[in-house]
Amino acid sequence: KAGVTQTPRYLIKTRGQQVTLSCSPISGHRSVSWYQQTPGQGLQFLFEYFSETQRNKGNFPGRFSGRQFSNSRSEMNVSTLELGDSALYLCASSPGTAEKLFFGSGTQLSVL
Amino acid sequence: DQQVKQNSPSLSVQEGRISILNCDYTNSMFDYFLWYKKYPAEGPTFLISISSIKDKNEDGRFTVFLNKSAKHLSLHIVPSQPGDSAVYFCAARNTGTASKLTFGTGTRLQVTL
Repeated sequence: KAGVTQTPRYLIKTRGQQVTLSCSPISGHRSVSWYQQTPGQGLQFLFEYFSETQRNKGNFPGRFSGRQFSNSRSEMNVSTLELGDSALYLCASSPGTAEKLFFGSGTQLSVL
Repeated sequence: DQQVKQNSPSLSVQEGRISILNCDYTNSMFDYFLWYKKYPAEGPTFLISISSIKDKNEDGRFTVFLNKSAKHLSLHIVPSQPGDSAVYFCAARNTGTASKLTFGTGTRLQVTL
């Protein structure tokens, strides 16, 4: 079974731009979650989608948004990028609840 | 508000000895706890978990202990191996938001020869 696939692997953007990250979950998994990892902050929960509906949302500004498609693939969008958005963005999938999340390798976003 | 805390940013242990990684939490609604291991340039991988109704779970060299009254859990690795060198994250699930995990800030374990 293929794992969670995230693209692109690396991204460099400038302040004010927007970015879209993509995630393909493990086949059969209907839940996709997004986390932001920054040094010293651990992994911070962004949001979770299940069957195309946002089921949970973390404490991030509205510039961070996401969606899930009918094939469970998910995208995350960040608009009006700020320097502080530089981070590793991790996508995780699960069959339903979070007893065990399977993570992708992440997208490393650098905002200059 | 850091609901899951890993107060030791790093730990160095000799090969063959026991590694003990600690985690404290503040939210009494957490009902499930997990440990993830992360190598550089890779996503976290699930290691071991424990339900709040248990106080111990064992899987090979890895054992997780839960002390609910102290809101404390620990991961024991015996014996430690050089391949165990990684960042370890403690995570917790809230009964009310079962699809979300709250992570600690991680402990970097280095196993030396």
